[in-house]
Formats: sequence, structure tokens, C-alpha cells
Amino acid sequence: QSALTQPPSASGSPGQSVTISCTGTSSDVGGYNYVSWYQQHPGKAPKLMIHEVTKRPSGVPDRFSGSKSGNTASLTVSGLQAEDEADYYCSSYAGSKWVFGGGTKLTVL
Amino acid sequence: EGQLVESGGGLVQPGGSLRLSCVASGFTFNTYEMDWVRQAPGKGLEWLSYIGSSGSAIFYADSVKGRFTISRDNAKNSLYLQMNSLRAEDTAVYYCARDVGYTGDGFDIWGQGTMVTVSS
Repeated sequence: QSALTQPPSASGSPGQSVTISCTGTSSDVGGYNYVSWYQQHPGKAPKLMIHEVTKRPSGVPDRFSGSKSGNTASLTVSGLQAEDEADYYCSSYAGSKWVFGGGTKLTVL
Repeated sequence: EGQLVESGGGLVQPGGSLRLSCVASGFTFNTYEMDWVRQAPGKGLEWLSYIGSSGSAIFYADSVKGRFTISRDNAKNSLYLQMNSLRAEDTAVYYCARDVGYTGDGFDIWGQGTMVTVSS
């Protein structure tokens, strides 16, 4: 059982927006502004999409955005594109350790 | 941009040992904190261990504490993971990853991963 809870699946049509939630506790998500999101295509290494809750690394499209409220963080993908279909993982610092969510498979219909 | 290349994976019997290596290039290795993360077949990501830029600060996940040892050689731009007392549940792809910049933040560069299979 993963430390952070994510829905196993999410979907949307091209051009639509989809939001993936990531629920933790006051010891991780709620206690630190160090939530990050990763995109992973099959057989590939994870790719950092969001860090420090809302920051996008250079090269990541601004269609990807992050937010946090209390113990729940969210990743929103706007203007869905076919290449966004992948697994998405959230992660949070939890004081001398990091915890991941179980992952969400995003399907572009 | 930076690159990480892992090596050292393979098939090992339960109770055996393995040492993974990760060579960094394209960035100033000795100024970055580093981590190991693994992914069992068909499963999610699991953080394993962290090491500070100088090697003085080290953290482990409970699942590997006492069995795995993280280390680094800044002169060789290399990160290591010594894995002892391996179990079937340690079977996974092992990734090394670079911390973004602040302790606690995410991992911005990942290696391609090296597969470790623990089986008799």
C-alpha cells in the first residue's frame, strides 16, 4: 500500500482538462511544500513534470499545473494531447524520506 | 542538461549481494544530492535512499534500512548502492536520480534504470 493515495485511472478526450489527486497526511503532503509529479511512459524512466507543488521545470508545457490544499495535492493537465497518455506519480517529502503515490494511468480517449 | 547511467544489475540468489553504480555527466556532481528509487515489475515507484552532496547526510527507507548502503565518490562522479541480504521482493528496476536543488524537493534527472532480479 502506497503512502500517498492516487486514483488508479483517469481519462479525457483531446483538448479537455483532467485533474489527478494525491492525498497524504499532515506528515507529508500537508506538512511540506515539496510535492512533485512525474510522468512515466511504458518502459521509460520517470520525468519530472512539477516540483515544489507548482513549479514547472524548463521544457515542460504550461498545460501541466500543480496545486495543493491541505493534505491533498493535484495535477491538472489542460488541453489534453495524445502524448500525455502515461502513468503519473505524485511524491512528497516526509521528513528524512520521500513517499510516492501508487500512480494514475491517464488515458486520452 | 545532465545524464545518469546505472549499471550493476542482474540475477542474484536470495540472500546474495549486488552493488549498483550510477555515473553522472553533464553537471557538477559534487554539488547535488542524489537518491535511489526502484520500481517492481508492474508496480509503482518506491524511494529507497538519499545522500547529501558531501556524503555526510544519508537517509533510508525502512524497507531497506540495515541491508542497503548508499555511498558516493565525487572524484569519480559516481553514486553507489550496496545491496545485501537480497529478497525476492527486491526484484525491481533501480533508478538513480538527482535532487532538484533543495533537500526535500523532487528528482529532476533520472537514469535509464538497471534491472535486479532476485531468484533461485
